[in-house]
Amino acid sequence: GNSVTQMEGPVTLSEEAFLTINCTYTATGYPSLFWYVQYPGEGLQLLLKATKADDKGSNKGFEATYRKETTSFHLEKGSVQVSDSAVYFCALSPMEYGNKLVFGAGTILRVKS
Amino acid sequence: KAGVTQTPRYLIKTRGQQVTLSCSPISGHRSVSWYQQTPGQGLQFLFEYFSETQRNKGNFPGRFSGRQFSNSRSEMNVSTLELGDSALYLCASSSFSQADGYTFGSGTRLTVV
Repeated sequence: GNSVTQMEGPVTLSEEAFLTINCTYTATGYPSLFWYVQYPGEGLQLLLKATKADDKGSNKGFEATYRKETTSFHLEKGSVQVSDSAVYFCALSPMEYGNKLVFGAGTILRVKS
Repeated sequence: KAGVTQTPRYLIKTRGQQVTLSCSPISGHRSVSWYQQTPGQGLQFLFEYFSETQRNKGNFPGRFSGRQFSNSRSEMNVSTLELGDSALYLCASSSFSQADGYTFGSGTRLTVV
C-alpha cells in the first residue's frame, strides 16, 4: 500500500541552524510528493511540491528533491528562524483514480532564539 | 482569491448525536476531499468528491458520509457520534489534477462529550 514515514520529533534547533527533516515513502509508480506545514490552531499550508523524479520543490528557503531511487523527499532549510516553528507533514498523492493525500505522522520543529 | 472556508470552526456534541460540517472550496475547484486529524491516528483521508460524485473513499465506518453540491460546496455528516470522533476535520480543495496540490481550510474542531 501507500505510506509515508517521517523522522520523529520534536526537532529543536537554534536560530540560523541547518534543518533536515527526513521523509521516505512507499507507493507504486510515480506519486506526487508534498510538504505541508501546520501552525498552532490552523489548517495545513502547502509548503512545496514535486511531481516527478528529480524535481526540486522550493519555497520560502525550504527545499526538497524527489528521489525515486531512494524513495525519499527530505525537507531542508539552510537557516531556520523562530517563525519556522510548526509541525511539518510529508505527504504523497498516489497514482490512482481521484485525489487523495497520504500523510506522514508529522514532525514538530521548535526553533529557539 | 478567497480560500477554502469551513464552518463552523468549533462544535461540541453529545454522544449519539449527529453533526454536519460544511466546506466551500476555492472558486473553480471542483474536487473536495476531507481528512480527520487526531493526536493518535494523525491525518487520515475520509473521502473525495468531484462534480458531485464520490471518487475515492478511506477506511472509515458508514457513519461518516458526505456529499457535494452543484456549486462544489461539500458537506460531511457523522451520525451516532462516538467519543473517538473528536478531532479536527479538514477539508481540501483542488483542481482535477492531483499534481496541482491541495489547499486546506482552517478546519472544524469537533468535540464529542
